[in-house]
Amino acid sequence: DVKVTQSSRYLVKRTGEKVFLECVQDMDHENMFWYRQDPGLGLRLIYFSYDVKMKEKGDIPEGYSVSREKKERFSLILESASTNQTSMYLCASSQGDLNEKLFFGSGTQLSVL
Amino acid sequence: GENVEQHPSTLSVQEGDSAVIKCTYSDSASNYFPWYKQELGKRPQLIIDIRSNVGEKKDQRIAVTLNKTAKHFSLHITETQPEDSAVYFCAASSSGANSKLTFGKGITLSVRP
Repeated sequence: DVKVTQSSRYLVKRTGEKVFLECVQDMDHENMFWYRQDPGLGLRLIYFSYDVKMKEKGDIPEGYSVSREKKERFSLILESASTNQTSMYLCASSQGDLNEKLFFGSGTQLSVL
Repeated sequence: GENVEQHPSTLSVQEGDSAVIKCTYSDSASNYFPWYKQELGKRPQLIIDIRSNVGEKKDQRIAVTLNKTAKHFSLHITETQPEDSAVYFCAASSSGANSKLTFGKGITLSVRP
């Protein structure tokens, strides 16, 4: 089975802090994604990457950046955390066609105080 | 960009009855339509998907139908069971390296024993 592992299940940070969310997948997938999930808003795409060192903006990239130095790891960075970035963050990966058959991680619930 | 809407936002059915969840999309270039199920506290998981060259696809108790003319697609669950209770997300995307998978806001299905 594909395993997508997110480094933290719960995270509490203060406003203005720099926050790193890490995601690792073990199936040599080419494509990786970061979504945020908010009640009543569904899943919204922040950034995605279809190759090492490649990144593309999703629908809500403002306030975020990403890093993909190795194929198996995709990091989401909040340069200066704000309270409106309190959310559940989901990492996902896929093989082949970009948006087909996404495998999600368990999520990181981030609270920014 | 693509806009995916789901109706209704909540659905309650009696165990053994059928459930139908509908989604509409706006971008006529979309050609891939997956459905994800998210049980409480767990990660979203792909349950079925369909491409635009197919009108219907079945997998045991679940099926998806697509009407390209009307730009809507539906998830059908027959003989519902309590373990079908979850949030269901539909999504849509087109092809290409920069295409994005856009999710609907999700529908909460409750199956009453």
